[in-house]
Amino acid sequence: EPEVTQTPSHQVTQMGQEVILRCVPISNHLYFYWYRQILGQKVEFLVSFYNNEISEKSEIFDDQFSVERPDGSNFTLKIRSTKLEDSAMYFCASSGGGRMNTEAFFGQGTRLTVV
Amino acid sequence: GQNIDQPTEMTATEGAIVQINCTYQTSGFNGLFWYQQHAGEAPTFLSYNVLDGLEEKGRFSSFLSRSKGYSYLLLKELQMKDSASYLCAADPNTDKLIFGTGTRLQVFP
Repeated sequence: EPEVTQTPSHQVTQMGQEVILRCVPISNHLYFYWYRQILGQKVEFLVSFYNNEISEKSEIFDDQFSVERPDGSNFTLKIRSTKLEDSAMYFCASSGGGRMNTEAFFGQGTRLTVV
Repeated sequence: GQNIDQPTEMTATEGAIVQINCTYQTSGFNGLFWYQQHAGEAPTFLSYNVLDGLEEKGRFSSFLSRSKGYSYLLLKELQMKDSASYLCAADPNTDKLIFGTGTRLQVFP
């Protein structure tokens, strides 16, 4: 069964450092997302991406965040200068329906710990 | 505003039936998702309701009432492996999902 894969599974970084979280969406999907989940809290939307541009972003997705689809398979989330409060599980998702938000498949997540 | 409400925790016995309720208030609405999430894992898709009514998929069914802003997930013949968090998520007809806090279901033998 096709799946969304994310690397690394766990990343520890020092406050102020840049991190790049990587995702390989399902190959024929056109819509890509990043969500995050702080431990014990709900899943929160960060950004959606279609046709090589951001289609929607949340208030969380400020200037320190950026996304990129550098080639035909990868979808990355960069956090420029990490803060302690960025510690969370980051989920990449993709969907392939005719519009956004048809069944989204989630990756296994990257647990980011900022120390 | 955007708000999704669901109970925080529920318990049930193996073999029983459990209903997890969700109410939502969103500025737009296209449909309602249910996801299952085991601890430390990714959410996995269970159902997506766009129209009013009940949709059945094996042991799991999901119901939607758009006029009442209400949905429920019904789990029958509970198994121990059904112990997980169940996430209600609204599609507000924009390019994102709005999740509730999730309902942690514990199934006891």
